[in-house]
Amino acid sequence: EAQVTQNPRYLITVTGKKLTVTCSQNMNHEYMSWYRQDPGLGLRQIYYSMNVEVTDKGDVPEGYKVSRKEKRNFPLILESPSPNQTSLYFCASSLRTFLNSPLHFGNGTRLTVT
Amino acid sequence: QQPVQSPQAVILREGEDAVINCSSSKALYSVHWYRQKHGEAPVFLMILLKGGEQKGHDKISASFNEKKQQSSLYLTASQLSYSGTYFCGTEFRGSQGNLIFGKGTKLSVKP
Repeated sequence: EAQVTQNPRYLITVTGKKLTVTCSQNMNHEYMSWYRQDPGLGLRQIYYSMNVEVTDKGDVPEGYKVSRKEKRNFPLILESPSPNQTSLYFCASSLRTFLNSPLHFGNGTRLTVT
Repeated sequence: QQPVQSPQAVILREGEDAVINCSSSKALYSVHWYRQKHGEAPVFLMILLKGGEQKGHDKISASFNEKKQQSSLYLTASQLSYSGTYFCGTEFRGSQGNLIFGKGTKLSVKP
């Protein structure tokens, strides 16, 4: 089944403890992206990647890192999480950089930083 | 740069129509529409690429007015299944790949 898989679905951690949220897609998509969703703010883009080894900052990249060493994987790294990074995170992928190509979203990761 | 959606929320009875608007302050390359049900991931509805383009499936359609830098989503004869939060996403010329979503419009359809 074609899908975007995020892990874990839920994560509770403490301030400063490094964590990684994994994202994998099995559709051979070129484009991948991370969003965070907070009440009243909509979906805000953190980072995106147009292809392997190519990543760009979105609108809210501070405090996050990403890497794209393989086409299928796009992990999100929080080196030193803080409470203001408590949020619902979505990974998404697209066949190519838009141009009539929809985003496929993962099921989300709910992160709580205490 | 975040597109502005209006209204923020709307309540309908089954069978009524609704329009959701998405406006940008910058020239648009494309407009995407997604629907998100509570507790779920956003789901793709449609993409509009050209000014004046209109698309639709079932009773949901959209238009893209490039000159006015805005798009509208039309829901006709609404069904209970249309309930959810609708997001427009905009891609600007020169920043393809940086898809910026609006804050969303919450649509509730009552029996």
